[in-house]
Amino acid sequence: AIQMTQSPSSLSAYVGDRVSITCRASQDIRNELGWYQQKPGSAPKLLIYAASTLQSGVPSRFSGSGSGTDFTLTISSLQPADIGTYYCLQEYNYPWTFGQGTKVEI
Amino acid sequence: VQLVQSGGGLVQPGGSLRLSCAASGFTFRRFWMHWVRQVPGKGLLWVARISSDGSGTTYADSVKGRFTISRDNARDTLFLQMNSLRAEDTGVYYCARDPGGVLQFADALDYWGQGARLTVSS
Repeated sequence: AIQMTQSPSSLSAYVGDRVSITCRASQDIRNELGWYQQKPGSAPKLLIYAASTLQSGVPSRFSGSGSGTDFTLTISSLQPADIGTYYCLQEYNYPWTFGQGTKVEI
Repeated sequence: VQLVQSGGGLVQPGGSLRLSCAASGFTFRRFWMHWVRQVPGKGLLWVARISSDGSGTTYADSVKGRFTISRDNARDTLFLQMNSLRAEDTGVYYCARDPGGVLQFADALDYWGQGARLTVSS
């Protein structure tokens, strides 16, 4: 199975800061990666698919980049609503695998 | 789009349980569907997927041979039959829709159910 290594495991930043989360795949997954946000007690929410395509309705401060093995989720200006845990997910082959998660705090 | 789950509960090791996921607001029969598990306080684990017509299924190694994903397109409902349950199966199970090949080229999980909690314990 493809291993997804996500970092950092947690981060704390100020409102307005630029924040980045990375995911590294154990093999080339082209651009078949998504980013999800999860708030406590709720289901995950799709933010980015195909590594860099913003899901409809997601604020433009979220962006994704990368291909092959290295991927980044960036929040250009951190907002209080952005607190939660972020996961990457590779959909290149089965079994799909998630990163370990990054908890974002203000 | 709504995915409404039911069927969670407390089960003894070795027992069985079936989860359901009722879909509405979209043409269910067109979409592949998935199950994802979250261990309390931990991360996410992809469990299984089923093709739009139900002819193709894939499972995580940890559940292969014990879990069965199925669907009833006439009733717009997805199922996960879980047998020979173990303590490590405990968690919150989510159903999720995959828009790949229907609404977009890329796979993803764009809508999720509210989750159903399974506890396997004696």
